[in-house]
Amino acid sequence: AQSVTQLDSHVSVSEGTPVLLRCNYSSSYSPSLFWYVQHPNKGLQLLLKYTSAATLVKGINGFEAEFKKSETSFHLTKPSAHMSDAAEYFCVVSVGTGGFKTIFGAGTRLFVKA
Amino acid sequence: EAQVTQNPRYLITVTGKKLTVTCSQNMNHEYMSWYRQDPGLGLRQIYYSMNVEVTDKGDVPEGYKVSRKEKRNFPLILESPSPNQTSLYFCASSTEARAQGTGELFFGEGSRLTVL
Repeated sequence: AQSVTQLDSHVSVSEGTPVLLRCNYSSSYSPSLFWYVQHPNKGLQLLLKYTSAATLVKGINGFEAEFKKSETSFHLTKPSAHMSDAAEYFCVVSVGTGGFKTIFGAGTRLFVKA
Repeated sequence: EAQVTQNPRYLITVTGKKLTVTCSQNMNHEYMSWYRQDPGLGLRQIYYSMNVEVTDKGDVPEGYKVSRKEKRNFPLILESPSPNQTSLYFCASSTEARAQGTGELFFGEGSRLTVL
């Protein structure tokens, strides 16, 4: 069975400090992993994705994530938070075999303080 | 501009009154899908379609219907809405890479539905 756990429902950081949003997954198959961001009253937008190439994945707006198979983790990081990063972030696992099972984490809301 | 368009964006209705939420994409994507978003639950898949005339149930299909008569459109139908279907709904589309699980999902801006 496949599952996704986002370990924090809320994360609060100060502007200019690092961001860490944690995600653990469970999958019987080799997964594809994604991070999406949702700004208020908007749809979701892809930040980055891992699809079995390089384990360190760079995305938009300075975000990156590292796929660690031994830890079944795919944590999202950014060296320096900006006010515009305040949003909800979703970790998503997609199972490739037969191909279309997509599971979303419950989301992590990021607050950025001035 | 590449986009997924949902209508209506906001709707308040009453129990039992049939409604349809439309979804249209202009990217010639084969894969389309509907999700509902509820606090603390993330997004849950309602139905998806791998291509025209091919639809399948997601994780929470009860109370919903879909059709895929044309590639660009994928309407969500609530035949007899109930208050537990009050939610934020998202339509998404993706390329054929979705079949391998690697395709990016492109989302509409959401439709907020309230059933009284």
